[in-house]
Amino acid sequence: DTGVSQDPRHKITKRGQNVTFRCDPISEHNRLYWYRQTLGQGPEFLTYFQNEAQLEKSRLLSDRFSAERPKGSFSTLEIQRTEQGDSAMYLCASSQTGTGENYEQYFGPGTRLTVT
Amino acid sequence: AQKVTQAQTEISVVEKEDVTLDCVYETRDTTYYLFWYKQPPSGELVFLIRRNSFDEQNEISGRYSWNFQKSTSSFNFTITASQVVDSAVYFCALDEEYGNKLVFGAGTILRVKS
Repeated sequence: DTGVSQDPRHKITKRGQNVTFRCDPISEHNRLYWYRQTLGQGPEFLTYFQNEAQLEKSRLLSDRFSAERPKGSFSTLEIQRTEQGDSAMYLCASSQTGTGENYEQYFGPGTRLTVT
Repeated sequence: AQKVTQAQTEISVVEKEDVTLDCVYETRDTTYYLFWYKQPPSGELVFLIRRNSFDEQNEISGRYSWNFQKSTSSFNFTITASQVVDSAVYFCALDEEYGNKLVFGAGTILRVKS
């Protein structure tokens, strides 16, 4: 299967600890997105990359959050000094790009973070 | 600002009934894209359809059909002869022309009972 993969699937951490999540996109996709989904809500955009360049960040992405995509392939999302409000499902998606076209995003299974 | 409203929080139907999920959107863009995604209990969002703002033709795919009406800013989704496996949360989403980010509605929980 060559879909989007995320690791870990679940993470439980204590408040104040740092956590890092990884996303591997579909191999031919050059766009990669991070979203956050809390219970009973739709996903909310956090940031996206085109190749290795981070082109947009949401105001939701506080300075405790950092995302990287160093070689334009996999991406990592790090949360420093976690807070209970960070508990959520973190979703990664990838898509193609093209001139004058908007391609659908394909999502991974998500990483569920619980901060105790 | 872009916004998507899914007014139906939860719908319950009996198997084989038809069901329509409503989606109303707001955008100032003249070119935009609309999507529906399904999120089954396993949690992974599954892409169902993409529609651009210049294509108002309705689409049918098996038991699924979509009705796009720019005049009412709606993009409704109908499942014909629903099945238990259709039970999931369904999200409508909106994106601007160059695909920077999806704006999702809050989702509609569909429960299909046998």
